[in-house]
Amino acid sequence: GAVVSQHPSWVICKSGTSVKIECRSLDFQATTMFWYRQFPKQSLMLMATSNEGSKATYEQGVEKDKFLINHASLTLSTLTVTSAHPEDSSFYICSASDGHHTDTQYFGPGTRLTVL
Amino acid sequence: GQSLEQPSEVTAVEGAIVQINCTYQTSGFYGLSWYQQHDGGAPTFLSYNALDGLEETGRFSSFLSRSDSYGYLLLQELQMKDSASYFCAVSRNTGGFKTIFGAGTRLFVKA
Repeated sequence: GAVVSQHPSWVICKSGTSVKIECRSLDFQATTMFWYRQFPKQSLMLMATSNEGSKATYEQGVEKDKFLINHASLTLSTLTVTSAHPEDSSFYICSASDGHHTDTQYFGPGTRLTVL
Repeated sequence: GQSLEQPSEVTAVEGAIVQINCTYQTSGFYGLSWYQQHDGGAPTFLSYNALDGLEETGRFSSFLSRSDSYGYLLLQELQMKDSASYFCAVSRNTGGFKTIFGAGTRLFVKA
């Protein structure tokens, strides 16, 4: 089956620093990748949709200058949380679609970010 | 706008059958998915319905009625390991494909 990896699986950083999270599709080409954020005991909230080679589409209320998304290749998308603050602490999950089956998403294992 | 509603919690005993309902309201409806998530883990795909009817995958089945904007996930022969959160998610295509998740239903399976 399709496998999506995320790196790192967890990260702790100081307030004000930037953190980059990688999302890779290991055995398929991901034309579209999605980034979600999940706070404890809450649902997954879609942050943005990224298509390879084009700018990401951000959901309402998500600051594009704070959450930088780059989808430079068909197997890699990155999310950079810039000038992170404690309220950015969350579980960040990516998913990928191969473009042939747009209704099927393959989820990464998630990255737990803790900002001190 | 768009909305999904599902119960916040369900409790059942081992070996029983449980049904988790989901009603939705959205434009550009494409399909309804179900995901399982254990504490600390990422969601895992369970089932997907694009057309009306029942889809069966082992102990799990999912149903969709597009005319009623309603679906459910049916879990049979419950096991302790089924204790988790279950999310219904609507896929929609309105100028771009995206999936919106419901708030989730926490299932507690008791011995």
